[in-house]
Amino acid sequence: AQKITQTQPGMFVQEKEAVTLDCTYDTSDQSYGLFWYKQPSSGEMIFLIYQGSYDEQNATEGRYSLNFQKARKSANLVISASQLGDSAMYFCAMILIASGGSYIPTFGRGTSLIVHP
Amino acid sequence: DTGVSQNPRHKITKRGQNVTFRCDPISEHNRLYWYRQTLGQGPEFLTYFQNEAQLEKSRLLSDRFSAERPKGSFSTLEIQRTEQGDSAMYLCASSTRGSNQPQHFGDGTRLSIL
Repeated sequence: AQKITQTQPGMFVQEKEAVTLDCTYDTSDQSYGLFWYKQPSSGEMIFLIYQGSYDEQNATEGRYSLNFQKARKSANLVISASQLGDSAMYFCAMILIASGGSYIPTFGRGTSLIVHP
Repeated sequence: DTGVSQNPRHKITKRGQNVTFRCDPISEHNRLYWYRQTLGQGPEFLTYFQNEAQLEKSRLLSDRFSAERPKGSFSTLEIQRTEQGDSAMYLCASSTRGSNQPQHFGDGTRLSIL
């Protein structure tokens, strides 16, 4: 069974600085996808970025980039130029893509990010 | 794209009562998921539909939980004989086919059992 580990319960960053949120995963499958979601205090989960296991380039979406290190089974989220509105919970999730895969994501426990002015 | 809609936003009920939640997915999305989230945790998978077919159900899910998606459109999640431990946020998400397609989440229904 797959497992997602987010070891940082809370992170603090100064506005306009960059921050890295850690995510490691465990699976014996070769074909999988990794997602990051943001959950503000209002509760809705917002999709940020996706990385496929066979993607050769690290995914980027605006200020978000994913530092994908397949051999280390890590998929860290990098947020550049932090903004006050980035304060939220951040969840890493994984799905298995192989034939017969259920496309059901497994989520980590999340990291709480607080951006200081 | 009006987003995923969940009703009600909040539900307070006495232990032992039945409750039903509704989820209206994004119209062109054929996949629909239900999750439960408690404080300090990530979403925990409950069940999954592709169109009207319920394809998977968590083994952790008690028989008191049932979900339907008639005609492959909206879905309902019913909890019978609610218990204190059922207090949580219940999230619904929908997506299109494709492994790289993100799930779009609703705002959730917060259930409180008195």
